[in-house]
Amino acid sequence: RKEVEQDPGPFNVPEGATVAFNCTYSNSASQSFFWYRQDCRKEPKLLMSVYSSGNEDGRFTAQLNRASQYISLLIRDSKLSDSATYLCVVISGGYQKVTFGIGTKLQVIP
Amino acid sequence: DGGITQSPKYLFRKEGQNVTLSCEQNLNHDAMYWYRQDPGQGLRLIYYSQIVNDFQKGDIAEGYSVSREKKESFPLTVTSAQKNPTAFYLCACGDSTGAGKPQHFGDGTRLSIL
Repeated sequence: RKEVEQDPGPFNVPEGATVAFNCTYSNSASQSFFWYRQDCRKEPKLLMSVYSSGNEDGRFTAQLNRASQYISLLIRDSKLSDSATYLCVVISGGYQKVTFGIGTKLQVIP
Repeated sequence: DGGITQSPKYLFRKEGQNVTLSCEQNLNHDAMYWYRQDPGQGLRLIYYSQIVNDFQKGDIAEGYSVSREKKESFPLTVTSAQKNPTAFYLCACGDSTGAGKPQHFGDGTRLSIL
């Protein structure tokens, strides 16, 4: 089983739709979780941190479910500019190894 | 302005040649990382370093070498042993003091074989 798993998509959604991605992780002792956004041929940029209590930033909501070992990202009222690949990141271990998911590609359609 | 800088942006390697990718940061971060990104495979960790003069192999370290002689610098050498070096290479840094510290990425270096 991969350390971090994501559905690569693509997710094609119309403008204004709500879309959700999940990311599962295998190490139950993982400590920190993040979502990154990566535009085509660019470097990843931090989107938001993920907490058990949930984290909301405008149209974006991130959630951690430790019992089921997954994190989620919800995007409400999708915009064309949301089109990108969304990477989940899990940090674990004393050396804080950082593991990226493969990324989920989102395409918002007019 | 603080940041992380990779150079060169594009690099071409001949058969049997070693090449070195530069990564410099002035964010005073302890941790630095090198990733390789191939289409359809996401980011894969090559090497990482939590402190000066110490580094750890990641998932795909074979054919690569690194050094961490200074806090600001974490160069990656792609050796001739790496048979498929064509990829997008990303360097990142982060504050290793405690969990939950995000990373900053450089703009990346695209390496191709001549």
